Amino acid sequence: QKEVEQNSGPLSVPEGAIASLNCTYSDRGSQSFFWYRQYSGKSPELIMSIYSNGDKEDGRFTAQLNKASQYVSLLIRDSQPSDSATYLCAVRDSGSARQLTFGSGTQLTVLP
Amino acid sequence: GAGVSQSPRYKVAKRGQDVALRCDPISGHVSLFWYQQALGQGPEFLTYFQNEAQLDKSGLPSDRFFAERPEGSVSTLKIQRTQQEDSAVYLCASSLVGTGAETQYFGPGTRLLVL
Repeated sequence: QKEVEQNSGPLSVPEGAIASLNCTYSDRGSQSFFWYRQYSGKSPELIMSIYSNGDKEDGRFTAQLNKASQYVSLLIRDSQPSDSATYLCAVRDSGSARQLTFGSGTQLTVLP
Repeated sequence: GAGVSQSPRYKVAKRGQDVALRCDPISGHVSLFWYQQALGQGPEFLTYFQNEAQLDKSGLPSDRFFAERPEGSVSTLKIQRTQQEDSAVYLCASSLVGTGAETQYFGPGTRLLVL
């Protein structure tokens, strides 16, 4: 069974610090990787997608992908209290499958 | 523009009742997905439509679960003879085309509680 693993946390960082979220996946053929943010009681919201090895930056967010190690990470710089949420790592399977396989999420709290 | 909408937002059912959950995808989106999210877990795939065709239903947990999208837009997820283990948030997501690389946009979900 294809798996996506995340450290469930909770992870607490002070305001202004860098938050580092990690994810590993089991399907070596996976091609597409996503980070979703989910506030309590709300639906997941896409914040980053990455398809190639290396780093991808968007504002305060940087996604990192290492396909050889089957590892994806998300860095949040200058963390704000409004970043407090659960962060879900999602992987699109190889082949013709279109659905996403999600990790269980990492709960992040940014302390003012 | 309008996002994905779902109704009802909350549903309480007695064990054994049938329920129907509705999803209105973003207009023009070809692909539609249903996911089930248990408390404290990530969403788990249930089924996938491309237009009106149900191309993958491998995630449906039992034959009590049935989904349809007869005209390629609105979709309904039906659960027959609900059980307590069916209590979860049911999320619908849509994406523009069926290439596999595009973003999935999620609706607000239907929170189902089976008593």
